Amino acid sequence: DAGITQSPRHKVTETGTPVTLRCHQTENHRYMYWYRQDPGHGLRLIHYSYGVKDTDKGEVSDGYSVSRSKTEDFLLTLESATSSQTSVYFCAISESVRTRIGYTFGSGTRLTVV
Amino acid sequence: DAKTTQPPSMDCAEGRAANLPCNHSTISGNEYVYWYRQIHSQGPQYIIHGLKNNETNEMASLIITEDRKSSTLILPHATLRDTAVYYCIVRVNNAGNNRKLIWGLGTSLAVNP
Repeated sequence: DAGITQSPRHKVTETGTPVTLRCHQTENHRYMYWYRQDPGHGLRLIHYSYGVKDTDKGEVSDGYSVSRSKTEDFLLTLESATSSQTSVYFCAISESVRTRIGYTFGSGTRLTVV
Repeated sequence: DAKTTQPPSMDCAEGRAANLPCNHSTISGNEYVYWYRQIHSQGPQYIIHGLKNNETNEMASLIITEDRKSSTLILPHATLRDTAVYYCIVRVNNAGNNRKLIWGLGTSLAVNP
């Protein structure tokens, strides 16, 4: 969607290497989220942010860290990638907790850990 | 765990209405029902949401039963481009600033020519 971009779109990395995924928004939305999507599990929340330098864990946060130093950027880092982290990662944004338009999602990053 | 139940798959003829059901029998009074869809390999797309009353926008209509234990998303004239996975989600209010959405596996809708 216009206003939110994820990079890279595809990445193959080796087990044990660090990986950083970037989510960039131009909507000036306060809230940003990282999800992963795997067959049989649907979307699961990894981490979210409710402002610059304000982040919290989601339901599957182990092995992941995040940072948000600017409103527009939310970074997801896999400190030491494992094969279980092979997944499609989606970033989402929302304006407020009372948003009337729900979340806007990025196009996803397909990560393969070999 | 997801708090909604949807059929895993449905078919619909092009041009006909697609009615996608969702059961959310444990919904609480201040929880909204959201609908999203995900076309293959793309990010989910917001469709509509509601609390108690029926809602309509340019994409779809949402019918919520009076007891709020179930709802139906209606695509009035389905097209081939409506083929997607449709997610019905109940919005959970957590302490603090997070309004976490719990995602199930959705309904895979196939619109046939």
